[in-house]
Parts: sequence; C-alpha cells; structure tokens
Amino acid sequence: DAKTTQPPSMDCAEGRAANLPCNHSTISGNEYVYWYRQIHSQGPQYIIHGLKNNETNEMASLIITEDRKSSTLILPHATLRDTAVYYCIVRAHITGGGNKLTFGTGTQLKVEL
Amino acid sequence: GAGVSQSPSNKVTEKGKDVELRCDPISGHTALYWYRQRLGQGLEFLIYFQGNSAPDKSGLPSDRFSAERTGESVSTLTIQRTQQEDSAVYLCASSSRYSEQYFGPGTRLTVT
Repeated sequence: DAKTTQPPSMDCAEGRAANLPCNHSTISGNEYVYWYRQIHSQGPQYIIHGLKNNETNEMASLIITEDRKSSTLILPHATLRDTAVYYCIVRAHITGGGNKLTFGTGTQLKVEL
Repeated sequence: GAGVSQSPSNKVTEKGKDVELRCDPISGHTALYWYRQRLGQGLEFLIYFQGNSAPDKSGLPSDRFSAERTGESVSTLTIQRTQQEDSAVYLCASSSRYSEQYFGPGTRLTVT
C-alpha cells in the first residue's frame, strides 16, 4: 500500500469547514483513498473513500486531485464532536490475500469554540 | 443492526497468565480483522479472516498470539503467557469482502 503524509495536527473553529490534507504521491492506479477517524477511547470509524472522482456523503466530502497524488477531506461544518485523529489510507482492493488497513499517525483535529 | 461488539471491555491480568479476547462481528460480514493499538500509537494489523480461506497471520508478533474464528461468526484472540509489552487496546473489525471496515470499541488489556 502507498505511503501517506498528513500534518500531525490542525485546529478548526466550530461551525467552520475543516480541510484535512493528505499526500499520497506514490499511489498506484488501482489504489483507493480511504479516510477513517478515531475519537478518543473509541475504535476507528469509516468516513469516506474514493478512487479518482470526488465523493460526498452525509459525513464529509473527499476531493482527489486529477493526478491522484493528494486529497483533501472536508468536514463542511465542524462541531466539537468532530475532534478526533483523522487517518488517510490508500489501499488496493486485493483479490484473496487480504485488505488490512495500514494506519499512519494521522492528523489530530481539534475543533474549538 | 448491531455493530461489532467486543468483550471484555477491560481486562487486567498478571504477567504470565493467558487471556482470551472475544469479537462478535456484524452479521453477514465475511471478513474479520484484529488490530492492536499501543498507547499513543497507530493501529498494528495482527490477523485477518476471510470466509473459509486460510487466515492471514502475518501480523501476529509472536507464537504466543493466536486467533480462531468459527465460520463467519465469533472470533477469539488468545495471548498466552502475557508480557507487559502486550498491554494495549485490541480492536476487532469486520467487513464485507471489499467494503469499508467497521470497528468494535476495543478491549483494553493491562498486564501487571
């Protein structure tokens, strides 16, 4: 799986959009970009994933650059409950062998009043 | 429906004892994963089950660690002769074959 690079921490004011960047310059053509988050003392939670098109769901939007070497997770109206560590993961959908996730250190997002 | 559940939520054990951690995946999910997360660190993959295929044990740190899964249901992670470095949160996740993984709340293991 391709390596990802994320800033270690970010702050965001409540009600504002939180834009979390991720670099994955060595991503392969068959690798997807996944985002998970982990709120303190809880298990990780799936947020969104995409291959090359931008994606949106009830939680967030995912913007992937045309060359696929970077992406941005957007939380449109951050709340205090969005304070968590956000992980960007790239992985292929492998036939057979396994789909284990490789978590890096992520970005600690702190949403403040 | 119900999410992934794990038990116990907390386990304190003495060094050298054996422990068993249980995971109940989401019904119908064919894949099940175990991860370990030490304090302040990221998740480490331990083992992966997919249907009736042979499990991927490549992440197990030593032969003191083993896991079983009965069909596509419950899984048990066993740690024999626990050591202090085994102290961590053990997380279980399940998924459909290529879908996102859904994680349980974890079992916090403390070896004294």
